[in-house]
Amino acid sequence: DSGVTQTPKHLITATGQRVTLRCSPRSGDLSVYWYQQSLDQGLQFLIQYYNGEERAKGNILERFSAQQFPDLHSELNLSSLELGDSALYFCASCRGGTDTQYFGPGTRLTVL
Amino acid sequence: GQQLNQSPQSMFIQEGEDVSMNCTSSSIFNTWLWYKQDPGEGPVLLIALYKAGELTSNGRLTAQFGITRKDSFLNISASIPSDVGIYFCAGQLIGDYKLSFGAGTTVTVRA
Repeated sequence: DSGVTQTPKHLITATGQRVTLRCSPRSGDLSVYWYQQSLDQGLQFLIQYYNGEERAKGNILERFSAQQFPDLHSELNLSSLELGDSALYFCASCRGGTDTQYFGPGTRLTVL
Repeated sequence: GQQLNQSPQSMFIQEGEDVSMNCTSSSIFNTWLWYKQDPGEGPVLLIALYKAGELTSNGRLTAQFGITRKDSFLNISASIPSDVGIYFCAGQLIGDYKLSFGAGTTVTVRA
């Protein structure tokens, strides 16, 4: 158990819908990262927050957004969902900005 | 992100055998990490390497940070059935926040 929690574990929805994925970092960790894992793209970095502020952006679509709240939990919002958004979404956390990252169990999103 | 070339892509091994996989990059990394992912689970950190030339062990696992800072390898000794899974290398550039991942090595153990 990495100490990072993610909910829900599974999510099934339809194209065009909007969903919110939630992540709680390890106790004491200030940084939260979001990654997408699909069969054809592997693990891709989406976005990072540090202590409530956006720190770095990767291959994140404009239809996706994220935020980190004062209690340091983070949410990833995916809107106007397409079939190709079906993937595993992982959250990782670490103490600072560049420390070792620990991953949560992931949310499996299926868009039908 | 940075391109990490991980090989082999997959391997079938006999229980008790030693396994070796590696990652190379055209970029110089500050940190190399090795993760294992079981089906439907998140990547679990196996070994973290922070200095060029560093050799670190975790039980039957040994990993090294290459001298050029552009490569790393992971060895698994005396493989057992629970070693099955996908192993990922990940690298972090100096001052960068994100990890770049290799495509993974799928390990299947023949009993």
